[in-house]
Amino acid sequence: AQSVTQLDSQVPVFEEAPVELRCNYSSSVSVYLFWYVQYPNQGLQLLLKYLSGSTLVKGINGFEAEFNKSQTSFHLRKPSVHISDTAEYFCAARAGRRALTFGSGTRLQVQP
Amino acid sequence: SQTIHQWPATLVQPVGSPLSLECTVEGTSNPNLYWYRQAAGRGLQLLFYSVGIGQISSEVPQNLSASRPQDRQFILSSKKLLLSDSGFYLCAWTDPQGGSYNSPLHFGNGTRLTVT
Repeated sequence: AQSVTQLDSQVPVFEEAPVELRCNYSSSVSVYLFWYVQYPNQGLQLLLKYLSGSTLVKGINGFEAEFNKSQTSFHLRKPSVHISDTAEYFCAARAGRRALTFGSGTRLQVQP
Repeated sequence: SQTIHQWPATLVQPVGSPLSLECTVEGTSNPNLYWYRQAAGRGLQLLFYSVGIGQISSEVPQNLSASRPQDRQFILSSKKLLLSDSGFYLCAWTDPQGGSYNSPLHFGNGTRLTVT
């Protein structure tokens, strides 16, 4: 079965500090991987996606993620966060024809 | 450009009352459509998806149903709401032309449903 695990439910960080949000997936076949961001009382917006090719994927708002097949991870990073990055972040995976599976989310709290 | 509309934004309903949430997509044809539920502190749970008019697949057994009466309209319904139906409901679409397996989901702004 396909599953996505986000190891941290909350990540507090100070403004301008770097941040990494962790995501691990399990799948016996090739996967497509996504990170979404959700601001309060809104739907989800796509940050970035990994389909194939380069394992380092750059997204919007200065975020990037690295696909690591051996560790089955797709961690999200930003070198310097802003207050406006405070939101919930969801990792998601799709293997083949299966529906998209979401992790439980990580709440990023950027403090001044 | 494509847009997705979901309404109402918030809804408070008593237990046992009916429910109808509507979602429409503009600017695309024959989209794949999805209903997700997001319970407090939890991830997104896929409830229904549709690849065409009148074609509905249910992912989990529940008190809810979905219908697709038109190509770009997706409706989530219930005859009698339960307390456990409270949550944040999100409609989403993907472009089947781009290959549905790697196409990202495009989400509406969601409906916050509180069952009292």
